[in-house]
Amino acid sequence: GAGVSQSPSNKVTEKGKDVELRCDPISGHTALYWYRQSLGQGLEFLIYFQGNSAPDKSGLPSDRFSAERTGGSVSTLTIQRTQQEDSAVYLCASSLGGRNQPQHFGDGTRLSIL
Amino acid sequence: GENVEQHPSTLSVQEGDSAVIKCTYSDSASNYFPWYKQELGKGPQLIIDIRSNVGEKKDQRIAVTLNKTAKHFSLHITETQPEDSAVYFCAASIGGAQKLVFGQGTRLTINP
Repeated sequence: GAGVSQSPSNKVTEKGKDVELRCDPISGHTALYWYRQSLGQGLEFLIYFQGNSAPDKSGLPSDRFSAERTGGSVSTLTIQRTQQEDSAVYLCASSLGGRNQPQHFGDGTRLSIL
Repeated sequence: GENVEQHPSTLSVQEGDSAVIKCTYSDSASNYFPWYKQELGKGPQLIIDIRSNVGEKKDQRIAVTLNKTAKHFSLHITETQPEDSAVYFCAASIGGAQKLVFGQGTRLTINP
């Protein structure tokens, strides 16, 4: 079956530009998560959505980062006025609703800021 | 905040031998502990998970043990094969919530 799909797989942009990263979760999964993985590092939580509840934005590193989830399915992570330290792999995961449900990841978007 | 420490950062074993990766966590409210395998250019793949109401779980050559008193959990891979070579991450739920905090990863190399 279809897994989590992320696009684009790679994105190169100039410092100061805005970028949008897209995530299509597994059908039927009500929870969606964004993580960031810097080179050779572990994953850093950014934000998660659960159904119609207000998202948990506690991991967003600055107000340049925002995310939305339309219609309870597709999500977009937006980074405004990109900086070189934003370069990383941005990973999306989805799960069934409720606690302790396995999170399934996409292959990520590799973002490079020149 | 919640912190997960993972050791070792690199591990090299001979094919057929066992590999053990250990993690400790700081939040006593954590109750879900997944392990992920990540291959180059791919997203993390869930390989096994354990919840706090059990002490051990096994799936073929992979097992995970959990010691809630000591706040540590371990991944055991037996009869290692070259395709087990990858980066492995442990994670713990934050305060019983849905989000996870990850360890820094272990690069496992299986030598033929």
